Amino acid sequence: AQTVTQSQPEMSVQEAETVTLSCTYDTSESDYYLFWYKQPPSRQMILVIRQEAYKQQNATENRFSVNFQKAAKSFSLKISDSQLGDAAMYFCAYRSADSGYALNFGKGTSLLVTP
Amino acid sequence: KAGVTQTPRYLIKTRGQQVTLSCSPISGHRSVSWYQQTPGQGLQFLFEYFSETQRNKGNFPGRFSGRQFSNSRSEMNVSTLELGDSALYLCASSLEQGGPYEQYFGPGTRLTVT
Repeated sequence: AQTVTQSQPEMSVQEAETVTLSCTYDTSESDYYLFWYKQPPSRQMILVIRQEAYKQQNATENRFSVNFQKAAKSFSLKISDSQLGDAAMYFCAYRSADSGYALNFGKGTSLLVTP
Repeated sequence: KAGVTQTPRYLIKTRGQQVTLSCSPISGHRSVSWYQQTPGQGLQFLFEYFSETQRNKGNFPGRFSGRQFSNSRSEMNVSTLELGDSALYLCASSLEQGGPYEQYFGPGTRLTVT
C-alpha cells in the first residue's frame, strides 16, 4: 500500500516570509497524481495545487509552488509571501490506479502564520 | 455553481444506533467519495460511487455502507454505532472517476457517538 509521510506536524512562518512543507511518499507506480490540500479551521478542504507524475515541470499556483522530485519520491510545497489566511492544516495526498484512485493522505502539517 | 453540500452538519448519536449522512455533489459531477477524518487515524478513504455503483472501497467494516442515486446524490450509513465512529465525515465529488479529475470536498458532517 502506498504511504504518504509528512514529517513536520507543525510549522510556523512570519507574514511575508516563505515556508516549505515536506512530503514524501512510497509507491511502485510510475503514473500517479500528487496534491496539496488546505484545511482551515472552518474544516472545508480546499485543493491548493496538483502535480501529475509524468510532468517534469513543477506546478505553480500564484504564491504556491511545489518541488517534485520523482526519483526521491518527494513532493514539497513552498508558500511564498505568507499571509495570515494561509494558516491551516496542510495535507499531502497521493492517488493512482493501483488504489482505485482513492486519495491517500498524509497526517498533515499545521501551519501557523504570525504577524 | 454551488459546491458540495453535506447534511446534517452536526449529529449526536448513541452507541448501537444507526446514522445516515447525505451528500449532494456539484452539479454535473458523477463521482462521489467518502472519507473519515479522526485525530488518531487522520483521513481515511471509505468508498467511492460512480453511476450508482460502488467502484472502490476502503478498509472499513461492513457496518459502513453507502449508495448513490440517479441524480448522483449519495448517502452513507453506519449501523450499530461505536464510540470510535466519532469523526468528521467528508464527502468529495468529481466530474468523472479517475486520477485526472479533481475531488472537491464538502464541509463535512461532524458525528459524535456517546
